[in-house]
Amino acid sequence: GQQVMQIPQYQHVQEGEDFTTYCNSSTTLSNIQWYKQRPGGHPVFLIQLVKSGEVKKQKRLTFQFGEAKKNSSLHITATQTTDVGTYFCAGGSYNTDKLIFGTGTRLQVFP
Amino acid sequence: ETGVTQSPTHLIKTRGQQVTLRCSSQSGHNTVSWYQQALGQGPQFIFQYYREEENGRGNFPPRFSGLQFPNYSSELNVNALELDDSALYLCASSLTSGNADTQYFGPGTRLTVL
Repeated sequence: GQQVMQIPQYQHVQEGEDFTTYCNSSTTLSNIQWYKQRPGGHPVFLIQLVKSGEVKKQKRLTFQFGEAKKNSSLHITATQTTDVGTYFCAGGSYNTDKLIFGTGTRLQVFP
Repeated sequence: ETGVTQSPTHLIKTRGQQVTLRCSSQSGHNTVSWYQQALGQGPQFIFQYYREEENGRGNFPPRFSGLQFPNYSSELNVNALELDDSALYLCASSLTSGNADTQYFGPGTRLTVL
């Protein structure tokens, strides 16, 4: 079946360091969405990318959708302790018309 | 805050029992999706309800069933509970039923099966 994988599974960084998580799908996606889940919380929508090669920025966060619409990345510049949480990508499936969530990358930031 | 509410917050059941979880969608949203999130995993799609009809189902057995009411609130029922059903159950509402729509998640119900 369709799968959306993320790497790395865990990342521990010193505050101020950069962080990147990568999302890879086995099939072409209609769109990619990114969500953040704080420890003990629920996923919260961050952004959506629709076009091939699209890049969007939100302050220190940069999101990219691959040219083939099968992969995506989230890059955080100069991490802060408030960035702690698990970041999930979710790809839109042409087959099921539903979102498939990735496996998530858990970010820990040490002050 | 998304405006999506879920009850109860926590629940402890024993194997073989049945459970009903409830969700109220955000105002204006006619679509509710249910997800199961095991510890350390991403949300897994269970099913979606759109205008009171099931509109898509993930790889979950028939003992997982649901309902959506005219006010678009929804229930998730799980029969014959198994230990592996222990998870966070998330409800998400959206404006439409398509895969491009943002999911607005509720706080979840933490189910423990003993």
